[in-house]
Amino acid sequence: AQKVTQAQTEISVVEKEDVTLDCVYETRDTTYYLFWYKQPPSGELVFLIRRNSFDEQNEISGRYSWNFQKSTSSFNFTITASQVVDSAVYFCALSGSFMNTGFQKLVFGTGTRLLVSP
Amino acid sequence: GAGVSQTPSNKVTEKGKYVELRCDPISGHTALYWYRQSLGQGPEFLIYFQGTGAADDSGLPNDRFFAVRPEGSVSTLKIQRTERGDSAVYLCASSLYPQETQYFGPGTRLLVL
Repeated sequence: AQKVTQAQTEISVVEKEDVTLDCVYETRDTTYYLFWYKQPPSGELVFLIRRNSFDEQNEISGRYSWNFQKSTSSFNFTITASQVVDSAVYFCALSGSFMNTGFQKLVFGTGTRLLVSP
Repeated sequence: GAGVSQTPSNKVTEKGKYVELRCDPISGHTALYWYRQSLGQGPEFLIYFQGTGAADDSGLPNDRFFAVRPEGSVSTLKIQRTERGDSAVYLCASSLYPQETQYFGPGTRLLVL
């Protein structure tokens, strides 16, 4: 069974602070995919990143960076120099091998609410 | 181009009534998914369509829930005899192919009184 744990329910920071959102996953698949989505107050889930299990290279996109560590089953997300517009709920998600299910069946964590104050 | 759209954005109904929720995927996307998000939770998978057929409906909670995609584009999620526990945000997503990234719509917020 697939499981995603986001232990941080809510994080509050002041603008320009760096913040890391934790994600721990469980899966028995050797091939799997990890995702981060952002859900602003409007409600729409916005795709941020997809990572497959064979690519442990860290990724940076502007102020966003992701640290994937298979040894600890973690896929953490860091926002550098946070801004008020980063305020949202962030979801980590996991999908098992496409070959097993025929599609990317996403299992989401419970989300971390990030509040960035001016 | 246009993203995934869902109508209505909000729906209030009474217990026992029938409701239909509509999803218009991104043009050309072959795969379509429905998820349900309860308050304070992450989205939970309901059903997946490849083309016109429901390839995986393992997430539908019971037989009051049904979904169709008759022409392989627009999909309708149908809930019969609604219960208060059905209150949630229903999210639709689509992807170009089943193994590709899913893009979500804004959701329909359903409230059953």
